[in-house]
Amino acid sequence: AQSVTQLDSQVPVFEEAPVELRCNYSSSVSVYLFWYVQYPNQGLQLLLKYLSGSTLVKGINGFEAEFNKSQTSFHLRKPSVHISDTAEYFCAVSDGYSTLTFGKGTMLLVSP
Amino acid sequence: DAGITQSPRHKVTETGTPVTLRCHQTENHRYMYWYRQDPGHGLRLIHYSYGVKDTDKGEVSDGYSVSRSKTEDFLLTLESATSSQTSVYFCAISETSGTYEQYFGPGTRLTVT
Repeated sequence: AQSVTQLDSQVPVFEEAPVELRCNYSSSVSVYLFWYVQYPNQGLQLLLKYLSGSTLVKGINGFEAEFNKSQTSFHLRKPSVHISDTAEYFCAVSDGYSTLTFGKGTMLLVSP
Repeated sequence: DAGITQSPRHKVTETGTPVTLRCHQTENHRYMYWYRQDPGHGLRLIHYSYGVKDTDKGEVSDGYSVSRSKTEDFLLTLESATSSQTSVYFCAISETSGTYEQYFGPGTRLTVT
């Protein structure tokens, strides 16, 4: 079985500050990892994904994430956030055979 | 944007009535999924389909049924709606099972009174 833990339900941050959203996973086999973003009243859209290869993955809107197998983590980072980054962020894991398992989400609140 | 539409976008219904939500795609993707989103629970998979007439249960399938008679349409039915099924429902599609990159529709907000 696979599972995802997003350690923070809400992360408040000031504009232009760096941010890290934490994600830990458990899976007994190979993993594929994803971060999705959901803006208010919209569906989810893919931010970035790790399938294989380089452990540092770059996504859209200046976000990046690092796959750390020993710590079973896939934390999302951005060096300088904007007001427009205010949204809910979901980490998800798949073993490539069964379906995606999502975390409960982290609300990123960016204030001026 | 992936061509996924959901209808209706909003619905209010009474307890005990049947409800059908529709997901339509124009991408010809093989896999289609229904999720529900509730505060504090993230997204939970209800049912999914891996081809026409091929469906399987997800994590929270009780009280829901699905049908897929055409590649482009995936229907979610609540046979007898309950207040616990008040939620936002999302449809998603994916081309393969390998990479599992899913594309999401805009959602349907369902309120059961």
